[in-house]
Amino acid sequence: AQTVTQSQPEMSVQEAETVTLSCTYDTSENNYYLFWYKQPPSRQMILVIRQEAYKQQNATENRFSVNFQKAAKSFSLKISDSQLGDTAMYFCAALLNNDMRFGAGTRLTVKP
Amino acid sequence: KAGVTQTPRYLIKTRGQQVTLSCSPISGHRSVSWYQQTPGQGLQFLFEYFSETQRNKGNFPGRFSGRQFSNSRSEMNVSTLELGDSALYLCASRPRTSWLGNEQFFGPGTRLTVL
Repeated sequence: AQTVTQSQPEMSVQEAETVTLSCTYDTSENNYYLFWYKQPPSRQMILVIRQEAYKQQNATENRFSVNFQKAAKSFSLKISDSQLGDTAMYFCAALLNNDMRFGAGTRLTVKP
Repeated sequence: KAGVTQTPRYLIKTRGQQVTLSCSPISGHRSVSWYQQTPGQGLQFLFEYFSETQRNKGNFPGRFSGRQFSNSRSEMNVSTLELGDSALYLCASRPRTSWLGNEQFFGPGTRLTVL
């Protein structure tokens, strides 16, 4: 079975601090894509960051970075210098054999 | 460029009815994917269309169908609605069906309530 697991339903962080959201996945494929999406309250889903499995270097996008551990099938998202606007649902997703699988999501609240 | 648009934004139907949702992709995008988002099942992939052809399909019953027009606009149809079909239906577009160097952009969704 190809699944994506986010084990943290809810998390909170103080403004300006760092938080890490966890994601694990299960696949027998060697080439695939991994994504983190952000869904703010009542707003559209947007891509935060993506990682191609064949790339060893961890992806970074400004304050967002990932820790991709291919052997462990782990793909965590680190948000540095958290801002109030980071409050949202975060979904980890994996494109496995042309099938986009999403985790259940982590609700992140950034506190002032 | 205008983003992905979906119409209607909200819809209320009764069991047994059918519904058609519409998605207009970003100009130039030819791949359109549909997703269902529910509190219980989370986000699930429905299907993807590219060049008017269904390229991929998720694990949904045949009551869920879709199509894509020559201008890349897409519709999805759900027949014989059930209470469990209540969900936020998201549409996403990307330039090509390949994911290499491609990013998918989501629309605001259509909130379907089945009574």
